[in-house]
Order: sequence, then C-alpha cells, then structure tokens
Amino acid sequence: SQQGEEDPQALSIQEGENATMNCSYKTSINNLQWYRQNSGRGLVHLILIRSNEREKHSGRLRVTLDTSKKSSSLLITASRAADTASYFCATVRQTGANNLFFGTGTRLTVIP
Amino acid sequence: DAGITQSPRHKVTETGTPVTLRCHQTENHRYMYWYRQDPGHGLRLIHYSYGVKDTDKGEVSDGYSVSRSKTEDFLLTLESATSSQTSVYFCATRLAARTNTGELFFGEGSRLTVL
Repeated sequence: SQQGEEDPQALSIQEGENATMNCSYKTSINNLQWYRQNSGRGLVHLILIRSNEREKHSGRLRVTLDTSKKSSSLLITASRAADTASYFCATVRQTGANNLFFGTGTRLTVIP
Repeated sequence: DAGITQSPRHKVTETGTPVTLRCHQTENHRYMYWYRQDPGHGLRLIHYSYGVKDTDKGEVSDGYSVSRSKTEDFLLTLESATSSQTSVYFCATRLAARTNTGELFFGEGSRLTVL
C-alpha cells in the first residue's frame, strides 16, 4: 500500500504565482523526500526533510513537515513554466525495509 | 546524474513471453531498485538489492524476479509476461548509508507493452 498521498492531484496556476502541494502519510517516518518528474522522464530528487526538522528551504522550494499530523507541504514560489511537472513525496519508515514509499503525485501545470 | 542506463527503453511483447529489463549504473551505488509506475498508483516497489547477490521483494513482486551478479547491473525478469504487467519500469540507485536517508537516482524508464 502507498505510504504517501498527495493533494491536490492536479494544480494549474499562472506563471509567477506560488504553488503548494501537500502530502499525508500513515506511519512513523525517518525522513520525507520530494521528487519531480518531467513528462516521459525519470524522477529527480528535490529535497529531503528529516523527522526532527520542521522546515527546510532550497532555492524557490520550501518544505514543511508536521509529524503530529503526519503531513508535509511543498511550496514553489514565483513559479515558472519550466516548473511544469509531476511532484511526488516519498517517505522512509523508521523501521522495516530499506526503501522509499511514493505517493501518487501532484501534476503541476504552470501557464506562461 | 548517477549514470543509470535502462535497456530497452521501449518494448512491445506478447502475453506469455519472457522479458528482461536491464539496469546499468556507473556510480558504484550499493542499493538498486526496480519500480513500476502506473496511472493512479504512483511508483510501487517490485524488488530491490542491497548488494551483489542480495535481493529482496517489494510490495508488487509477484510475477517478477531479479538478479544482481555485479554491482553495476540489476536485471528484472518477467518469466511469462501478462497484460497487467504493461507499465513503465524505473530503475533507481542509492548510496549506502548508515541510516535510512539519502536520495534515489532514477533511470529514464523502460516502457513495456504486453499485448
């Protein structure tokens, strides 16, 4: 079963606006990661946030983590047409097999 | 870029035929993974490897087998392909880590169609 669930499933915004995607998960985690996938390509790692961190920044990306609510959000500020892609959260559990569990993703479209 | 090459990139086959997908990496990463991606399901782990000849099952391993005889190569085999195995298959690698952290590096995917 999937660990993460992204919300919304699809998001369409104008260039320059901010985009916010949310991820909810079910079990305790060691860390949570966000990935990006351009159409027809493999996933690319964007950012990792550990379970003892609440917020992390990388360029125009801001990730928050609320372990009490088992949720995370990815904010992309000042979006660009090139940000059009699917975004996935992935969780690593504190115990168990050595792998990540991916959600179903949010499809972001940035309109020029 | 972890230098991950998947082959073939596209394949069309018939039900009941065997299929092998290959993943080759040049970065000496210890861990290797095979995922399948289907609409509405995201990425689901098929099998993974934590070293040469060391493999384990993921959440959707039925109908699939893997082998890793060298650090750089991880093979995914469908012994008798079925239409439900039509999907895009991704190989991923990860550096060894003392804890369960670290990013995955993905190949470009192999699109398999089973008629």
